[in-house]
Amino acid sequence: ETGVTQSPTHLIKTRGQQVTLRCSSQSGHNTVSWYQQALGQGPQFIFQYYREEENGRGNFPPRFSGLQFPNYSSELNVNALELDDSALYLCASRPDRIYGYTFGSGTRLTVV
Amino acid sequence: RKEVEQDPGPFNVPEGATVAFNCTYSNSASQSFFWYRQDCRKEPKLLMSVYSSGNEDGRFTAQLNRASQYISLLIRDSKLSDSATYLCVVNRDDYKLSFGAGTTVTVRA
Repeated sequence: ETGVTQSPTHLIKTRGQQVTLRCSSQSGHNTVSWYQQALGQGPQFIFQYYREEENGRGNFPPRFSGLQFPNYSSELNVNALELDDSALYLCASRPDRIYGYTFGSGTRLTVV
Repeated sequence: RKEVEQDPGPFNVPEGATVAFNCTYSNSASQSFFWYRQDCRKEPKLLMSVYSSGNEDGRFTAQLNRASQYISLLIRDSKLSDSATYLCVVNRDDYKLSFGAGTTVTVRA
């Protein structure tokens, strides 16, 4: 059973709308990363937070933004949704750099 | 060029067979290497880390060739439960994991 919980599990939104995806990590997991996985592709890195500060970002436009909270939860916000944003969004966290990442089961977003 | 490239397969093998596949990575500064397993519509799960000297975990053997920048995974005595997509993962700068698109393995009875 994963210690990283994501909500919702599935979501359908209309092009142009905004969406917020949520992740709840285990206590002590100071680092959280978000990934986008399109069908048939490997996960692509969106950004990472460490102790509530963004400390790395992939090749995603500014309409993808995030927050990390002191209670080890985090959010991924996507504005002005496009059809190509349809994907599985994965949250991954770890307590410290010497440990591997634990992934949540993901949110499947469909944009119509 | 993609940072991590994998043969997509599918590799369709009978139970008990040995199957092996590789991935290549483009950045020679890459520091850490992993194989993750992903079942259909599920999250990736760490299968094993890959060390320079090669390492085994039960029926799974991973090899790393830094000079040629490739990583391999070998599965011996395949089980039906080994059917999955195997993701090659490279970590260059201590935060971003770079994933390949995955190699699909199907083990048949």
